[in-house]
Amino acid sequence: EAGVAQSPRYKIIEKRQSVAFWCNPISGHATLYWYQQILGQGPKLLIQFQNNGVVDDSQLPKDRFSAERLKGVDSTLKIQPAKLEDSAVYLCASSPLGAGTGELFFGEGSRLTVL
Amino acid sequence: GENVEQHPSTLSVQEGDSAVIKCTYSDSASNYFPWYKQELGKRPQLIIDIRSNVGEKKDQRIAVTLNKTAKHFSLHITETQPEDSAVYFCAASRSSNTGKLIFGQGTTLQVKP
Repeated sequence: EAGVAQSPRYKIIEKRQSVAFWCNPISGHATLYWYQQILGQGPKLLIQFQNNGVVDDSQLPKDRFSAERLKGVDSTLKIQPAKLEDSAVYLCASSPLGAGTGELFFGEGSRLTVL
Repeated sequence: GENVEQHPSTLSVQEGDSAVIKCTYSDSASNYFPWYKQELGKRPQLIIDIRSNVGEKKDQRIAVTLNKTAKHFSLHITETQPEDSAVYFCAASRSSNTGKLIFGQGTTLQVKP
């Protein structure tokens, strides 16, 4: 079975520029997550979708970050404008049901460097 | 809000020794506790998980124990091997479709041959 696909794998931008990351979850997985992983830290949940509805976005910096999951399948995470502290790996994950029901399947991540 | 604390941040052991990583959680309603292993530059992958209705679970050389009263859980790796070297993350969640998984800060395990 195909895993979680993410693109791009690497992105370098200057501060105040914008960037978008794309994620295609495992087919049939209802729940999709975006995590931010800063070097040396654990993944931090930014937003969680169930189908195309938002379950939790309490830690998403909404003044600069936005995410959508159209048609309950793939998702896009956008940052505009980027700040230096946004440098991190952005991990997308999916699961058949919710986070407390079993394994999350992660993508390879998108590494963002903001200069 | 929910929080998961993980210790130690780094751990170095000799091959064949045991390794123990400990986590505490703040949300008393949490009842699902997975452990993920992340090798350098790779994605996190689930290695073992435990639910609150059991106190211990084993899978070959790894085991997890849970103390709900104290709100802490631990990962035990016996007979460590160099390929166990990685970053290990504990996490906690409520067991529901809307539960969110909160990760600890990670432990870098180095197994010296």
